[in-house]
Amino acid sequence: AQKVTQAQTEISVVEKEDVTLDCVYETRDTTYYLFWYKQPPSGELVFLIRRNSFDEQNEISGRYSWNFQKSTSSFNFTITASQVVDSAVYFCALSEPHNNAGNMLTFGGGTRLMVKP
Amino acid sequence: DAGVTQSPTHLIKTRGQQVTLRCSPKSGHDTVSWYQQALGQGPQFIFQYYEEEERQRGNFPDRFSGHQFPNYSSELNVNALLLGDSALYLCASSLFGTGGYEQYFGPGTRLTVT
Repeated sequence: AQKVTQAQTEISVVEKEDVTLDCVYETRDTTYYLFWYKQPPSGELVFLIRRNSFDEQNEISGRYSWNFQKSTSSFNFTITASQVVDSAVYFCALSEPHNNAGNMLTFGGGTRLMVKP
Repeated sequence: DAGVTQSPTHLIKTRGQQVTLRCSPKSGHDTVSWYQQALGQGPQFIFQYYEEEERQRGNFPDRFSGHQFPNYSSELNVNALLLGDSALYLCASSLFGTGGYEQYFGPGTRLTVT
């Protein structure tokens, strides 16, 4: 069965600090997809990134970067030079594709990030 | 380009009542998924609809049912409401298939059962 664990329930940093959000997953499939979503106080989940299990290349998008390591089943998310607007709950999610079925997401419990000015 | 829309925004119901939530997918998407998010927790998958059929279902009782219409919009119905059904209900749309397509979420419907 698939499972996603975000061990950090809450993180508090001061603006301009770097912060890393951890995500560990469990799956028996060789093909799977990993995602990060951001949920600001408004409640709407915002898609940040998708990564497939065959692509371990790290990715950088502005102040955001992601580190995917299959050897440790981790998909960590780093925000460089954090800003107050980064304050939100961040979710890591896993999708295991199945024949004739869809792409349900299994979410972790989320990490609440608070960036103080 | 309209994103995923949901209605109503908030809803208050009494135990034992029935409720219907509605969702319109993002333009170009053919698949709708529903998630339940209790306070302080991650979203839990309820079910997914494609071609007006339920394709995947999470660990939710039969009190939770759904429907997809020919225009891809969807409804979530919950019968015999329990206090524990109080949550944020999120609708997500995507393309169907095993390609791990990203899901785009609506703003959610906050259901309170008293």
